[in-house]
Amino acid sequence: GAGVSQSPSNKVTEKGKDVELRCDPISGHTALYWYRQSLGQGLEFLIYFQGNSAPDKSGLPSDRFSAERTGGSVSTLTIQRTQQEDSAVYLCASSSTGDPHNEQFFGPGTRLTVL
Amino acid sequence: DAKTTQPNSMESNEEEPVHLPCNHSTISGTDYIHWYRQLPSQGPEYVIHGLTSNVNNRMASLAIAEDRKSSTLILHRATLRDAAVYYCILSPGNQFYFGTGTSLTVIP
Repeated sequence: GAGVSQSPSNKVTEKGKDVELRCDPISGHTALYWYRQSLGQGLEFLIYFQGNSAPDKSGLPSDRFSAERTGGSVSTLTIQRTQQEDSAVYLCASSSTGDPHNEQFFGPGTRLTVL
Repeated sequence: DAKTTQPNSMESNEEEPVHLPCNHSTISGTDYIHWYRQLPSQGPEYVIHGLTSNVNNRMASLAIAEDRKSSTLILHRATLRDAAVYYCILSPGNQFYFGTGTSLTVIP
């Protein structure tokens, strides 16, 4: 695959349920980013991985949000006990190195709807 | 958060140059200025970035004020495919702070 892929593309869940969102970065990219985009808003930075480590988790909006990355590749963003305000498009991006000035390549996003 | 301010929307005629402004008065000495754009129903895509000097690439030019408190993205000849939301972003390290961006409409 040439680009960043995310799954599922759409997720509808009920309030209070847990969800997992997956990101497959471009092969060989060491840096991985998660963002959230609420309707009509700009992107909100959530977390950044360099390899499997997340040096800064301060962008995560609450302790219901967690993320991990394994094998320096796939990353999963988990939202526990979802709330309606979690409804948004969750975007993942990867970059070839951890240099913050390298181009980030974005996936198509996962649209999460919490009923 | 490293904050940027952009106009909500702009219009341009096709084939004419477009100047998209961005204010970032609180920029620090090590912050790079990045521009990304987001076409409808897609993830953002990289446009250009710079630190102090003006930058050119195949997509656009970036003009950075001498005091670095503002910058301008220049599209030399707007096409219909350039219609998108353009984000001006500061990066103090690996945290990218997107604002709400400028929605560019290109008029045929």
